[in-house]
Amino acid sequence: QVQLVQSGAEVKKPGASVKVSCKASGHIFSSYAIHWVRQAPGQRLEWMGWINTGNGNTKYSQKFQGRVTITRDTSASTAYMELSSLRSDDTAVYHCARGDSSGRHSLDYWGQGTLVTVSP
Amino acid sequence: QSVLTQPPSVSGAPGQRVTISCTGSSSNIGAGYDVHWYQQLPGTAPKLLIYGNSNRPSGVPDRFSGSKSGTSASLAISGLQAEDEADYYCQSYDSSLSGYVFGTGTEVTVL
Repeated sequence: QVQLVQSGAEVKKPGASVKVSCKASGHIFSSYAIHWVRQAPGQRLEWMGWINTGNGNTKYSQKFQGRVTITRDTSASTAYMELSSLRSDDTAVYHCARGDSSGRHSLDYWGQGTLVTVSP
Repeated sequence: QSVLTQPPSVSGAPGQRVTISCTGSSSNIGAGYDVHWYQQLPGTAPKLLIYGNSNRPSGVPDRFSGSKSGTSASLAISGLQAEDEADYYCQSYDSSLSGYVFGTGTEVTVL
């Protein structure tokens, strides 16, 4: 079965960077895009960007452009999301999600989420 | 940032039917992009509930149905059950942003 397993919770100081991993199993890794979505406490879901796991091309939300970097390691079937210059309002649960293969732009499987806390 | 607008909350008694609206614009839903719906139970990751406006993934009960018209979409839950208490989000693609957009989220309460 398809699974996306993310790395554990992180606590960071303002101005630092965080890198979250997302290991995929149960499907051909390079055949499906991986997206990153975050949810601040009590807030809505917010799309951050995605990576074409086949060729490594990326697209980021304008809001995070310049601060977020999404990469992948095909040999490890793992995608990564790095967010820099952290602020207190970056405190959120960060999810990876698999993009569907039909081109309809849905996210059909999700990781369990990684809580990132930014605190002095 | 362009978002899709949903009512903050809806409620209903067990067995009743509730609907959740999702209003977009000419750059997302109105441009013909599909609408998808996710269910998020408390403390868990979102789960795909409806894809491509009206299709249910395997395992999703047929009590859940979706539709789309113009710049809006709707999710209906019939035969409401206690286990349906959750947050629900719509999602589409936005051409002006060249990215994905989510709805503001709706909390469903079973009375």
